Amino acid sequence: GAVVSQHPSWVICKSGTSVKIECRSLDFQATTMFWYRQFPKQSLMLMATSNEGSKATYEQGVEKDKFLINHASLTLSTLTVTSAHPEDSSFYICSASLGGVGLDEQYFGPGTRLTVT
Amino acid sequence: GQNIDQPTEMTATEGAIVQINCTYQTSGFNGLFWYQQHAGEAPTFLSYNVLDGLEEKGRFSSFLSRSKGYSYLLLKELQMKDSASYLCAVKDSNYQLIWGAGTKLIIKP
Repeated sequence: GAVVSQHPSWVICKSGTSVKIECRSLDFQATTMFWYRQFPKQSLMLMATSNEGSKATYEQGVEKDKFLINHASLTLSTLTVTSAHPEDSSFYICSASLGGVGLDEQYFGPGTRLTVT
Repeated sequence: GQNIDQPTEMTATEGAIVQINCTYQTSGFNGLFWYQQHAGEAPTFLSYNVLDGLEEKGRFSSFLSRSKGYSYLLLKELQMKDSASYLCAVKDSNYQLIWGAGTKLIIKP
């Protein structure tokens, strides 16, 4: 099956610093990658959708200058949380898909738990 | 607006059967997904329905009625490891996934 990896799996950083999270599709080329955030006991919240080689599409309320997304290749997307604050502490999950119609399931990475102190 | 409704939490007994319902109102419909998510982990794909009817996959089955905007996930012969959150998601006319808040299923011995 399709495998998506994320790195790091957890990170602790100080307030005001930036953190980069990588998402890789290991055995397939992902046309589209998605970034989600999930707070404890809440559902997934889509932050942005990115297609390789183009700018990410951010959901309403998500600051694009704070959450920088780069989708440089068909197997790699990165999310950088800039000037992190404690309220950015959350579980960040990426997913990848081949894109298009039909059974285009999203393959999820294992998630990155970010704690900002 | 677009909306997906699921019960917040359900409790069932090991070995029993449980049905988790999902109703949706979306702009267009291009398929409905069920995902399982264990605490602290990422979601994993369970099922996909795009036509009306029942899709069976082992102990899990998923049903869809497009005219009613309704789906359910049926879990049989419940095991303790089935304790998880179950997420319903609908792909709308723009092929964007709209996620429900998830149903936390608690299995008791």
